[in-house]
Amino acid sequence: QSALTQPASVSGSPGQSITISCTGTSSDVGSYNLVSWYQQHPGKAPKLMIYEGSKRPSGVSNRFSGSKSGNTASLTISGLQAEDEADYYCCSYAGSSTDVVFGGGTKLTVL
Amino acid sequence: QVQLVQSGAEVKKPGASVKVSCKASGYTFTSYGISWVRQAPGQGLEWMGWISAYNGNTNYAQKLQGRVTMTTDTSTSTAYMELRSLRSDDTAVYYCARDSSGWTYGPGTDFDYWGQGTLVTVSS
Repeated sequence: QSALTQPASVSGSPGQSITISCTGTSSDVGSYNLVSWYQQHPGKAPKLMIYEGSKRPSGVSNRFSGSKSGNTASLTISGLQAEDEADYYCCSYAGSSTDVVFGGGTKLTVL
Repeated sequence: QVQLVQSGAEVKKPGASVKVSCKASGYTFTSYGISWVRQAPGQGLEWMGWISAYNGNTNYAQKLQGRVTMTTDTSTSTAYMELRSLRSDDTAVYYCARDSSGWTYGPGTDFDYWGQGTLVTVSS
């Protein structure tokens, strides 16, 4: 059982927007602005898409955005494209005793 | 350009140890930490631990404490992860990832460059 809870799957049509939630607790997501999101295509290494909750690394499309409310972080992808079909993982700092935790992952299907 | 190149696939018997290497290039090795993340077949990502390449400080995931050791060799810009007393559920792809936070006292969560992954298979 993962420390952070994500929906197992989400889907959307090209051009639409989708949001993936990542629910933690007051010990991780709720306490630190240190949530990151990763995209992983089959057989590939993960790719950083969002860091520190809402910041985008250089080269990541502005169609990807991150936010947080309370103990839940969210990743929104607007203008869905076929290439966005992948697994997405959230990650949060969880304090000095637990350090870093990942969500269980969400499979995004572009219909 | 930043690159992390990992050692090749390994097959080990239960109870054995494995040591995976991660050679960094394209940046100042001691300016960033390295986290190790593994992924069992068909499963999600699991953070294993972190090492500061600056001062060697380490933080390990509680479930792996006592079985894992992370080290660095700054002369060759290489990070190592050794896992001992291997079990079948340690079968996974092991990744090293650069921690872009640059902290020296503990891990961040911003893994901006990843190695290609090393498949470790534990089987009798």
